[in-house]
Amino acid sequence: SQKIEQNSEALNIQEGKTATLTCNYTNYSPAYLQWYRQDPGRGPVFLLLIRENEKEKRKERLKVTFDTTLKQSLFHITASQPADSATYLCALDMSRGSQGNLIFGKGTKLSVKP
Amino acid sequence: NAGVMQNPRHLVRRRGQEARLRCSPMKGHSHVYWYRQLPEEGLKFMVYLQKENIIDESGMPKERFSAEFPKEGPSILRIQQVVRGDSAAYFCASSPSTAPVKTQYFGPGTRLLVL
Repeated sequence: SQKIEQNSEALNIQEGKTATLTCNYTNYSPAYLQWYRQDPGRGPVFLLLIRENEKEKRKERLKVTFDTTLKQSLFHITASQPADSATYLCALDMSRGSQGNLIFGKGTKLSVKP
Repeated sequence: NAGVMQNPRHLVRRRGQEARLRCSPMKGHSHVYWYRQLPEEGLKFMVYLQKENIIDESGMPKERFSAEFPKEGPSILRIQQVVRGDSAAYFCASSPSTAPVKTQYFGPGTRLLVL
């Protein structure tokens, strides 16, 4: 069955630096890969989606890459701010053309220090 | 446009009781998903429903758990005869039927504590 690993449980960086989070998966590549943000006591919030035929996607200070050869996605937050502190979840969408469930990683807890 | 609503936000039950968790999807969304999140664990898919139909229940335990999404009203996740291991956060998500991709919009969750 498909497994997802997010490289570290926690990542601490200094304000202004770029945070890079990693998501690795096994087996076959998903149709889409999504990144969510989750704050304590809240539900996940959708951030970005990247398709299997896309290499890179950007949204403001966020950038996602998708390498189906390495079976890896990288999630970057540039010019990080303390408000970016949260848990970031990688999710795989294995279905193609029909609605279905997402497979989530355990998440990486990002702390941005002022 | 209100987001996904879940209630109650917190639910305490004693072992053997029943827990009912409700989810109202975003307006215009006809697809509902339920996930469970155990402490220090990732979100685990339980069941996917459309109005009056269960599409995929592969992640739901066969015993004690059931889900429905009636024509009118919220989706309900029902846990009978709860045990301590059922203590978790239960999240509902919805997506629109016309979406080509399945971005899911999550509710705030129901935190179930079984004593």
